[in-house]
Amino acid sequence: QKEVEQDPGPLSVPEGAIVSLNCTYSNSAFQYFMWYRQYSRKGPELLMYTYSSGNKEDGRFTAQVDKSSKYISLFIRDSQPSDSATYLCAIFKAAGNKLTFGGGTRVLVKP
Amino acid sequence: DTAVSQTPKYLVTQMGNDKSIKCEQNLGHDTMYWYKQDSKKFLKIMFSYNNKELIINETVPNRFSPKSPDKAHLNLHINSLELGDSAVYFCASSQEDGYTFGSGTRLTVV
Repeated sequence: QKEVEQDPGPLSVPEGAIVSLNCTYSNSAFQYFMWYRQYSRKGPELLMYTYSSGNKEDGRFTAQVDKSSKYISLFIRDSQPSDSATYLCAIFKAAGNKLTFGGGTRVLVKP
Repeated sequence: DTAVSQTPKYLVTQMGNDKSIKCEQNLGHDTMYWYKQDSKKFLKIMFSYNNKELIINETVPNRFSPKSPDKAHLNLHINSLELGDSAVYFCASSQEDGYTFGSGTRLTVV
């Protein structure tokens, strides 16, 4: 079993819809929870990070963490074609200074 | 000014060759990494260096040898390249505020 599991998609939505992405993880020692966006042929770029259970908002993006269920989510409101990318969840364990990625979900927002 | 830069961006080479990928960061971060992203887009850590010292080595064949001449540089040398080494290799650096990735080196072994 992988430490971080993520549905690979693709997830196709019409422009303006809410995109809902999620990951599950297995190790309770994970401390920080991040979402990265990766455009084709580019490196991952950090979108959001959080370390506590609950919601965190940044513009059209909301990250949600439920540590009791070991479940993290990312919601994108009012999705745009420019949001089309692969979204990777990543979880950080301070002991060992290690960032572990999910496999990524490919998102396609159709105009 | 590029924060984490890797060279080359593309590398096509024959099986059995030896090649190097270079990485430099100008963010002043103490920790640098090499990640491998396979054809299924799965990003997996290979190595981590903190201030020139190796701290993570994740079951990578010893044909792969990282070298950190100073904390701003982390190079990756690969001996006797195999077809299965074809992937995109990402360098990254980190401090408390998160990781910054380079744009990747697409390695194709033919």
